Amino acid sequence: EPEVTQTPSHQVTQMGQEVILRCVPISNHLYFYWYRQILGQKVEFLVSFYNNEISEKSEIFDDQFSVERPDGSNFTLKIRSTKLEDSAMYFCASRATREGEQFFGPGTRLTVL
Amino acid sequence: AQSVTQPDIHITVSEGASLELRCNYSYGATPYLFWYVQSPGQGLQLLLKYFSGDTLVQGIKGFEAEFKRSQSSFNLRKPSVHWSDAAEYFCAVGGNSGYALNFGKGTSLLVTP
Repeated sequence: EPEVTQTPSHQVTQMGQEVILRCVPISNHLYFYWYRQILGQKVEFLVSFYNNEISEKSEIFDDQFSVERPDGSNFTLKIRSTKLEDSAMYFCASRATREGEQFFGPGTRLTVL
Repeated sequence: AQSVTQPDIHITVSEGASLELRCNYSYGATPYLFWYVQSPGQGLQLLLKYFSGDTLVQGIKGFEAEFKRSQSSFNLRKPSVHWSDAAEYFCAVGGNSGYALNFGKGTSLLVTP
């Protein structure tokens, strides 16, 4: 069964460093999303991406964040200069159509020291 | 603005007992409602969704949920819980298909022998 994959599963970085979280959405999907979940808190929407551009973003998704689909398979989230409060589980999701189910990846746990 | 409330942070039930997880939403129009389950170390898996029509929806793994507009609720039920149902359960609302999901804080389900 097709699934969304994410790498790495756990990333540890120093405050101020740049990180890139990688996602491989399901191959025929067109809509892509990033969410995050700070420990003990709810899953929060960051950004959605369609047709090679951001279609929606939340207040969390400030200038420190960017997304890219560098090739036909990967979807990346870059945090330019990490802060302690960026420590969270980051989930990637994709869907085939606007009405379709969002399929989530297993997440990347980001720890900023 | 959309919001989702899951009043119960933790619930413990005995194996074989019935289960009801509560979800209340706030949304100005007809919401699109979802229940996801997350097992440890796994991504979010869709249990069921409500877009329109019959207010009682059936999902995977024997789960069902009922949309009650008058109570702004979308409670998840299962008549007989199995030990493998122990997980984190998230209710989510989406404004229109294709839009981002707004999640509740989740309910952690523990199943005792």
